[in-house]
Amino acid sequence: GENVEQHPSTLSVQEGDSAVIKCTYSDSASNYFPWYKQELGKRPQLIIDIRSNVGEKKDQRIAVTLNKTAKHFSLHITETQPEDSAVYFCASNSGGYQKVTFGTGTKLQVIP
Amino acid sequence: SAVISQKPSRDICQRGTSLTIQCQVDSQVTMMFWYRQQPGQSLTLIATANQGSEATYESGFVIDKFPISRPNLTFSTLTVSNMSPEDSSIYLCSVEVVDYGYTFGSGTRLTVV
Repeated sequence: GENVEQHPSTLSVQEGDSAVIKCTYSDSASNYFPWYKQELGKRPQLIIDIRSNVGEKKDQRIAVTLNKTAKHFSLHITETQPEDSAVYFCASNSGGYQKVTFGTGTKLQVIP
Repeated sequence: SAVISQKPSRDICQRGTSLTIQCQVDSQVTMMFWYRQQPGQSLTLIATANQGSEATYESGFVIDKFPISRPNLTFSTLTVSNMSPEDSSIYLCSVEVVDYGYTFGSGTRLTVV
């Protein structure tokens, strides 16, 4: 089955700096890559996603890049704010099927 | 996106008993997914529930332990059977919304004592 690896497991940045989280996946048939933000005690919330027919997608301070050849994708958060502090999960749709496999998560702390 | 109502939000149960978790979606969806999230961990898919057929379970999860019902296109239940403390976790249902992605219910925090 699909294996999604995520790094780093924890990340601390100063407010205003950028944060980058990286993920790799194993199944070359995977074609959908969402990113979720989970605040403490809350459900995961979709923040951005990318499909395999594009290499980059941006939404305000958040961007995702995808390299299908290398089978890795990254989340970039610019101008970080304290409210960005949360656990972020990458995911992929497990070989192109509808079920989604999640990475191990990155705990992001933005220091004011 | 779709709105999912999940209940109960939390429960404390005795070992050996069973708990049924319900998810109601405000629109018809083909598939519903059930995940488990152990404390401080990622989300692990338990099974995929299709209306009108048996659920498809992931490796490590079996129907006798986690029976699932899917009576229509807006509702599903997950039962955690014969519970032990190792079943203490957060259980979440999820659906795919066309042109949006996957959205989650609010979760059920289960503690087995």
